[in-house]
Amino acid sequence: QQPVQSPQAVILREGEDAVINCSSSKALYSVHWYRQKHGEAPVFLMILLKGGEQKGHEKISASFNEKKQQSSLYLTASQLSYSGTYFCGTSPNTGNQFYFGTGTSLTVIP
Amino acid sequence: GAVVSQHPSWVICKSGTSVKIECRSLDFQATTMFWYRQFPKQSLMLMATSNEGSKATYEQGVEKDKFLINHASLTLSTLTVTSAHPEASSFYICSAISREMRTDTQYFGPGTRLTVL
Repeated sequence: QQPVQSPQAVILREGEDAVINCSSSKALYSVHWYRQKHGEAPVFLMILLKGGEQKGHEKISASFNEKKQQSSLYLTASQLSYSGTYFCGTSPNTGNQFYFGTGTSLTVIP
Repeated sequence: GAVVSQHPSWVICKSGTSVKIECRSLDFQATTMFWYRQFPKQSLMLMATSNEGSKATYEQGVEKDKFLINHASLTLSTLTVTSAHPEASSFYICSAISREMRTDTQYFGPGTRLTVL
């Protein structure tokens, strides 16, 4: 049930771009993206619903391909504040169980 | 809006004691609340889904008699770790879905760090 993320870890210099992928073995209704800093709860970034949604806010965007059961998170011109562990979360149905992905550790260095 | 609180923030207890963790939605009614457990450097693992007024649905491998979940109202869910053992030491996080907002966005509490000695 747990979605698989890739890469597991990535180190970027400020200003560089990154892509994080999330892949599920199950059909999906929605995909959520979260960022978690050490010792804190996850912070919601965005939700994408089936129908081929793409969404973005400032320099972070995401796409959802429900046929491939995949989603990707795009971070452009990364900032130091982007550092953290990124999790996708998937749900097969509305209001149903929700499963976090394996996580991607992202470190942005000056 | 959409604030979820957890209490306590951290707790240290002796093996064999029971610990209760509260999860409250402060400014909305939560149709569903979720409980997660996270070990260091690992992902959050769903423990159970809790709907107000009904029994919680536990994920496979989670011992119901060791992790009691009660969802007494639309704003409160509790997780009680009974006869805690050191293996139960973890970061416990709850989340809630808002009934009013009609989306599946989960709002997370700040988490509770449990250490069982």
